Amino acid sequence: DADVTQTPRNRITKTGKRIMLECSQTKGHDRMYWYRQDPGLGLRLIYYSFDVKDINKGEISDGYSVSRQAQAKFSLSLESAIPNQTALYFCATSDRTGRDTQYFGPGTRLTVL
Amino acid sequence: ILNVEQSPQSLHVQEGDSTNFTCSFPSSNFYALHWYRWETAKSPEALFVMTLNGDEKKKGRISATLNTKEGYSYLYIKGSQPEDSATYLCAPLEYGNKLVFGAGTILRVKS
Repeated sequence: DADVTQTPRNRITKTGKRIMLECSQTKGHDRMYWYRQDPGLGLRLIYYSFDVKDINKGEISDGYSVSRQAQAKFSLSLESAIPNQTALYFCATSDRTGRDTQYFGPGTRLTVL
Repeated sequence: ILNVEQSPQSLHVQEGDSTNFTCSFPSSNFYALHWYRWETAKSPEALFVMTLNGDEKKKGRISATLNTKEGYSYLYIKGSQPEDSATYLCAPLEYGNKLVFGAGTILRVKS
């Protein structure tokens, strides 16, 4: 079984809808991250969490919110989706050692019409 | 936010060719440099983490070097194979424990 899972894997939605992307991990890592990837751009950090009570905004947090329900779960919400949020979204985890090597989930492809 | 540049943007080589890519970043405000390999339809996977000036890492035919004083890292692939086709991402780990990813170098190896 995969160590980092994301649901759904693909989603098509309409402008204005609320969407939640979920991430679960079995690696026992404290740190979790949400990134989005757009063609021609690197992975950009949306939010990150170093433990259940520590949540921080990343480079592009506007229009997004997160919830860290447990050490193993980190959800990303789009409160009112807009077309320029169409992208590939990755969840990642890391632990406090190993210089923060990150382990990525399979990605969620989100299309906002 | 660090400005991370990777060059070239894309590269097409023949099987057996050796190749290298560059990652450039500000020479301060970070304490590790990560390389990831991202195959189409898969997730990025870590290749190397380097921390010291002059650090060199090797995994099979792939190796990387780090120059922290001048702010660059090179990734080398010796004798490229079709299975090396992927996007190679570099990411300095800046203070605050956040990776800042470059846009990547797309490598296509033709057999």
